[in-house]
Amino acid sequence: GAVVSQHPSRVICKSGTSVKIECRSLDFQATTMFWYRQFPKKSLMLMATSNEGSKATYEQGVEKDKFLINHASLTLSTLTVTSAHPEDSSFYICSAETTPDTQYFGPGTRLTVL
Amino acid sequence: AQTVTQSQPEMSVQEAETVTLSCTYDTSESNYYLFWYKQPPSRQMILVIRQEAYKQQNATENRFSVNFQKAAKSFSLKISDSQLGDTAMYFCAFMTSGSNYKLTFGKGTLLTVNP
Repeated sequence: GAVVSQHPSRVICKSGTSVKIECRSLDFQATTMFWYRQFPKKSLMLMATSNEGSKATYEQGVEKDKFLINHASLTLSTLTVTSAHPEDSSFYICSAETTPDTQYFGPGTRLTVL
Repeated sequence: AQTVTQSQPEMSVQEAETVTLSCTYDTSESNYYLFWYKQPPSRQMILVIRQEAYKQQNATENRFSVNFQKAAKSFSLKISDSQLGDTAMYFCAFMTSGSNYKLTFGKGTLLTVNP
């Protein structure tokens, strides 16, 4: 089956620093990947759509300069949280599509900003 | 805009019994996809079952089946012979080509299977 990995699984950083989260499709190529954010006991909220070789498409209300997305290859998308603040603490999940109607999810990254 | 509503924040069921989780959605599109995802305590999202709107037959995956009522815009999940490992958050989700195949999730239902 299709496997998606994320690294790191957990990260703790100081306020004001930047953090990079990687999302990799291990056994397939993904032209499109998605980044979600999930607060405790809440649903997944789509942040942005990551397209290989082009700029990401951000959902309304998501600051593109704060959440930088780079999809440099068909197997890797990265999300960089710049100048992180405590309110950015959350669970970040990526997914990768094998076909337009099928997405596989990574295991998520727990970000804690002190 | 598409919306997905799960009206049951929490449910519980005894092991080996059957439970049904509700989901309704709203869309003006005629062709779309519906999904149920499971998120156990590990927080890994797992696809449980999917349904394509143009297919009239309800999807089934082992102990999991759906009741898809297109006219009523309803998509409920039935779990038969519940097992302790079924304890998880269950999210109903919706996708259309018109929304560039982006998933819209409901708020989720926390299902607890009791021994």
